[in-house]
Amino acid sequence: AQSVTQLGSHVSVSEGALVLLRCNYSSSVPPYLFWYVQYPNQGLQLLLKYTSAATLVKGINGFEAEFKKSETSFHLTKPSAHMSDAAEYFCAVSKGRAAGNKLTFGGGTRVLVKP
Amino acid sequence: GAGVSQSPRYKVAKRGQDVALRCDPISGHVSLFWYQQALGQGPEFLTYFQNEAQLDKSGLPSDRFFAERPEGSVSTLKIQRTQQEDSAVYLCASSLVDRTAPSYNEQFFGPGTRLTVL
Repeated sequence: AQSVTQLGSHVSVSEGALVLLRCNYSSSVPPYLFWYVQYPNQGLQLLLKYTSAATLVKGINGFEAEFKKSETSFHLTKPSAHMSDAAEYFCAVSKGRAAGNKLTFGGGTRVLVKP
Repeated sequence: GAGVSQSPRYKVAKRGQDVALRCDPISGHVSLFWYQQALGQGPEFLTYFQNEAQLDKSGLPSDRFFAERPEGSVSTLKIQRTQQEDSAVYLCASSLVDRTAPSYNEQFFGPGTRLTVL
């Protein structure tokens, strides 16, 4: 079975500071990994995905994530936080199309950006 | 084009009532997923359709939950005899099945239906 662990349910950063959100996964097969963002009362929006190509993945809004197989991690970073980054972020794993593409999500990390 | 839409956006039900939640996927999307997101938690998979066929319903928490997609487009998630623990946001997602792409097809999520059971 797959699982995703996000360390820290809440993260507070100052505007302009580094954003680092941690995600560790377990999977019996090479995984597909994702980061989604959720703004209040909205659905999930895909930030970026890892599908076994480059291990450093760049996404929208200046976010990027690095797949580290040896550490079973897929941490999300952004060099300089903006007020608009305040939202909840979810890491997710999938076994891909062969397994129906269903996603297994972590518990989420809520980001607060201080001026 | 329009994204995934869900209705109603908010639903309040008394315990024991039946509810029906609707999902309109993106036109042409073959796959449709339902997820349940309890307060303060990540979404959890409920069920998956490819066209009208329900290929995976392993996440449905009880036999009170039933989903259908009779014409391979709009889907309805029905919850019978609602209980307080059913209170959650129910998310619908749809995706293409593009076999020329890497072995994963992106899911596009709707805004969700927030169900509150009193």
